[in-house]
Amino acid sequence: KNEVEQSPQNLTAQEGEFITINCSYSVGISALHWLQQHPGGGIVSLFMLSSGKKKHGRLIATINIQEKHSSLHITASHPRDSAVYICAGLTLYSGGGADGLTFGKGTHLIIQP
Amino acid sequence: DVKVTQSSRYLVKRTGEKVFLECVQDMDHENMFWYRQDPGLGLRLIYFSYDVKMKEKGDIPEGYSVSREKKERFSLILESASTNQTSMYLCASSWLLAYEQYFGPGTRLTVT
Repeated sequence: KNEVEQSPQNLTAQEGEFITINCSYSVGISALHWLQQHPGGGIVSLFMLSSGKKKHGRLIATINIQEKHSSLHITASHPRDSAVYICAGLTLYSGGGADGLTFGKGTHLIIQP
Repeated sequence: DVKVTQSSRYLVKRTGEKVFLECVQDMDHENMFWYRQDPGLGLRLIYFSYDVKMKEKGDIPEGYSVSREKKERFSLILESASTNQTSMYLCASSWLLAYEQYFGPGTRLTVT
């Protein structure tokens, strides 16, 4: 069974701090999806990556395939970044099919002014 | 922009009622998904569909069924609602299974 472990579970930081959220995943997962969920429920896709690094504004996602590890970084954090961040692993099969996402339990991030 | 909409944001139903949750996407996506989200358990896949009239069970299909008669619409059905089905239900869609998923706003269902 595929597994995705996220850490930390909760993170409180001051505005301006550099934030790192970590995600480790099991063999069989080929790509990682980072999601953001604000209070109220809406989920937004941030990144999907299977190698290297992606950047969007103050958000950076990296993945190390050998170590089966991905990180989400937030630079110059702001109170509006407060949300739950979820990583999810996707399994791709050689025949072209894929499985549904396997989700981590999420990291609850609070950025204080 | 991809838009995924769900029929209700909040729903209250009684035990034993049949409940329909509808999801519509406007980007001609092949794949649609239903998840439930519970505190401490994260998101769990109930069912997904990779084509009209095609469906696959996810991790927790018991007590649920689905229907996909048209490509843009994916319905989740609770045949006889129970209190342990009180949860946030999220629908998502994607172009291909390997592509990122786009989520709807969620339906918070309470079964009393």
